[in-house]
Amino acid sequence: NAGVTQTPKFRILKIGQSMTLQCTQDMNHNYMYWYRQDPGMGLKLIYYSVGAGITDKGEVPNGYNVSRSTTEDFPLRLELAAPSQTSVYFCASIGRGAQPQHFGDGTRLSIL
Amino acid sequence: GQQVMQIPQYQHVQEGEDFTTYCNSSTTLSNIQWYKQRPGGHPVFLIQLVKSGEVKKQKRLTFQFGEAKKNSSLHITATQTTDVGTYFCAGNSNAGGTSYGKLTFGQGTILTVHP
Repeated sequence: NAGVTQTPKFRILKIGQSMTLQCTQDMNHNYMYWYRQDPGMGLKLIYYSVGAGITDKGEVPNGYNVSRSTTEDFPLRLELAAPSQTSVYFCASIGRGAQPQHFGDGTRLSIL
Repeated sequence: GQQVMQIPQYQHVQEGEDFTTYCNSSTTLSNIQWYKQRPGGHPVFLIQLVKSGEVKKQKRLTFQFGEAKKNSSLHITATQTTDVGTYFCAGNSNAGGTSYGKLTFGQGTILTVHP
């Protein structure tokens, strides 16, 4: 049972480039989340989804987009990368509300 | 919006000393969760507290949820080098409707343990 899988693990982008961070879970969880974690800081919610076809903004959505075409996958898209988006990105999932979140290993993204 | 403050930001202890981190929410919480993140790793769930005044123990770790459900603490007795990492509290609030499991994380307390 793989749990939550994120790819890539590391990436360096140039300013203005775009990329998609992949997240997939094999636990048939309905709820999925994207967070960013800046050095020495807590996790900030970017976007979340409560099921296929349903997404909503979190605390820091600007500069990002998401989609949820299947229960398993919840990709995060950066359209025009900016240095302020240098961070570690975590994807998480739960089966339903008020349950512990299962996190992926993270994607470490640097934008230069 | 909801804010969760956590103190201290850093704590350095000698192995065998005790450690406590405190968490305060700007709003009443339906539950609070605690996570541990090892350096370079991802957050790993430790425990969830739901009831007002609840106290739970996991070996050397003691977790408390305040009577007003706005604050919480994690206490580690006799720290070991394996306790090194960042400890986060994360609050879940149903104020205004369904929260969809969304958590508001504190900034975390970075614990270092000197052998």
